[in-house]
Formats: sequence, C-alpha cells, structure tokens
Amino acid sequence: QVQLQESGPGLVKPSETLSLTCTVSGGSISDYYWNWFRQPAGNGLEWIGHIYSSGRSTSYNPSLKSRVTMSLDTSKNQFSLKLNSVTAADTAVYYCARGSVYIAQLPFDYWGQGTLVTVSS
Amino acid sequence: DIQMTQSPSSLSASVGDRVTITCRASQSISNYLNWYQQQPGKAPKLLIYAASSVQSGVPSRFSGSGSGTDFTLTISSLQPEDFATYYCQQTYSTPRTFGGGTKVEIK
Repeated sequence: QVQLQESGPGLVKPSETLSLTCTVSGGSISDYYWNWFRQPAGNGLEWIGHIYSSGRSTSYNPSLKSRVTMSLDTSKNQFSLKLNSVTAADTAVYYCARGSVYIAQLPFDYWGQGTLVTVSS
Repeated sequence: DIQMTQSPSSLSASVGDRVTITCRASQSISNYLNWYQQQPGKAPKLLIYAASSVQSGVPSRFSGSGSGTDFTLTISSLQPEDFATYYCQQTYSTPRTFGGGTKVEIK
C-alpha cells in the first residue's frame, strides 16, 4: 500500500523559506506526477504544482510560480517543496499527493495526511 | 485558469437520502474531472475519476456523470460516514483547479 508522509517545520518566520519533504513508501517514486497542495483553515484546496519523476519536469501554479521550487530524490523516494518569501497568507495545511499517469485524467490517488505550517514571527 | 463552480455550497440531508452535487467548468474539459471527499481534519480521498469511473474501494452508492462543462456526483443512499465536504477538480490543464466544495451535513 502506497503511503505518503509530509515532514518539515510547523512554524516559519515571515520572509523566510518554507521547506517540506514528502516521503513515499510502499511503492516507487518513478513514473508518476508528484504534487503539492495547500488548504488554509476553513477554505478550499489550492494546487501548488507538480514534478514529474521522469525527466523531473515541473509545473507550478502561476499564482505562486515566482516563489516555488520543487525537487525529487529518487534514491530516497522523496520529493520536496520550497516556498520563499512567505507571509501570513501562506499559513495552511500542506498536502503531498501522487498523480497517476496510468489514467489519462491523472487523478490524485494517494495523499499524505497533511502538515500545518504557520507563518508567524 | 479554468474556474470550477460547485453547487450547492452546502446541503442538509438525512441518512438514506439521494444526494446530487453539481460542478460546472468555465470551459470544456471533456471528461478530465475528478471528485474527492474530505472528512474534517483528513486528507482528500479520490472517489471518482474521468467523470464517471469509481475508484477502487469506493462504495457503489457513489456515481459520477457528465462531460464537457457540466458534471454531477450522486450518492444514491446517504450513509453516516458520507457526511463530509466534496470537491470537484479538473486535470484538463494547468493550473489544476478545484471547485469551492459542497459540505454535506446531517439534517
């Protein structure tokens, strides 16, 4: 059974960089799209972007593109998110999820449990 | 960006009721539409992909339909564990976008 687990600091200071890692277990990180999302308290879901394991190509939400970097480490079965110059508006629960390439519609079939990141001094 | 609009934003229903949630895309997305269920404090769970295909392990009371711009999620007989928030989401283009959610509450 594939499992995803987010990890990283729960508190980040304004103007600093938010860094999260998602560890994939029970399956290979190869041949899938690996995604990050966030959800502010009481609000809906926002897609941050994805990284494709083959070729490591990325796609980011234009609303965050200037501040986002995603990377992937196949040797550790992990992928990561960096969001720089954070403000209080970046406070949210952050999720990682797998995008299935075996279905044309690329649904997100496995999700991490989510991790709350608070931006505050 | 493709805008996804769900209705209603919330509804009250009883166990055993038939529930229908609609989702409209701002442009045609063929069948690149997925539905998720989110329980409070939990991650979203994939229910339906490609507009009408039920994800493995999801009860058969869940079904989806539609194509183009208009889609529907139906729960044929609401169960206690179905009280949650439901989101539609398009993967036709990037950025991937979600509807605003429909909260299904106990009547």
